[in-house]
Amino acid sequence: AQKVTQAQTEISVVEKEDVTLDCVYETRDTTYYLFWYKQPPSGELVFLIRRNSFDEQNEISGRYSWNFQKSTSSFNFTITASQVVDSAVYFCALRSSGTYKYIFGTGTRLKVLA
Amino acid sequence: EAGVTQSPTHLIKTRGQQATLRCSPISGHTSVYWYQQALGLGLQFLLWYDEGEERNRGNFPPRFSGRQFPNYSSELNVNALELEDSALYLCASSPDRWEGYTFGSGTRLTVV
Repeated sequence: AQKVTQAQTEISVVEKEDVTLDCVYETRDTTYYLFWYKQPPSGELVFLIRRNSFDEQNEISGRYSWNFQKSTSSFNFTITASQVVDSAVYFCALRSSGTYKYIFGTGTRLKVLA
Repeated sequence: EAGVTQSPTHLIKTRGQQATLRCSPISGHTSVYWYQQALGLGLQFLLWYDEGEERNRGNFPPRFSGRQFPNYSSELNVNALELEDSALYLCASSPDRWEGYTFGSGTRLTVV
């Protein structure tokens, strides 16, 4: 069975703090893709990153960075020097090769306080 | 380039009625996906359409149905509405299986 777990329901930080959002996944497939999406209050899901199972290289994009570790089945997302505009719900998702269906975690609501 | 557009933004229906939600994918995208985001339940996969055909559906009753038109736009129909159908319905499109979805802003359906 496939599953994505985001154990942190809600996180509150003060602006400029670093924050890490955890994502743990389960799959028996050897080829799969992991995603992070941001859902601001407007409701639209914004694509942040896609990582395939063969590429464990960590990635940094501005204040965002992602740590993919197959050994622990985790794909964590860190925001450095958080800003109020980062306040949103963040979803981690899994898709196996050969299927179009995404399995989403329940999301983590991030509140960045000024 | 226009993104994925959904209409209406908000929809209020009474129990037992039917609701129709619409989605226009990004130009050139042939696949359309529907997800339900109910309070506290995260995102649940509803339906996938590609090239006018329903390719896959999630674990939802037959009251949830839809179609995809020749221009790749899509409709989601929910019959015999129940209170628990109240949710944000998100539509997404993709050009192929290797890319991430692009989501619309959603239709918030409220059943009273």
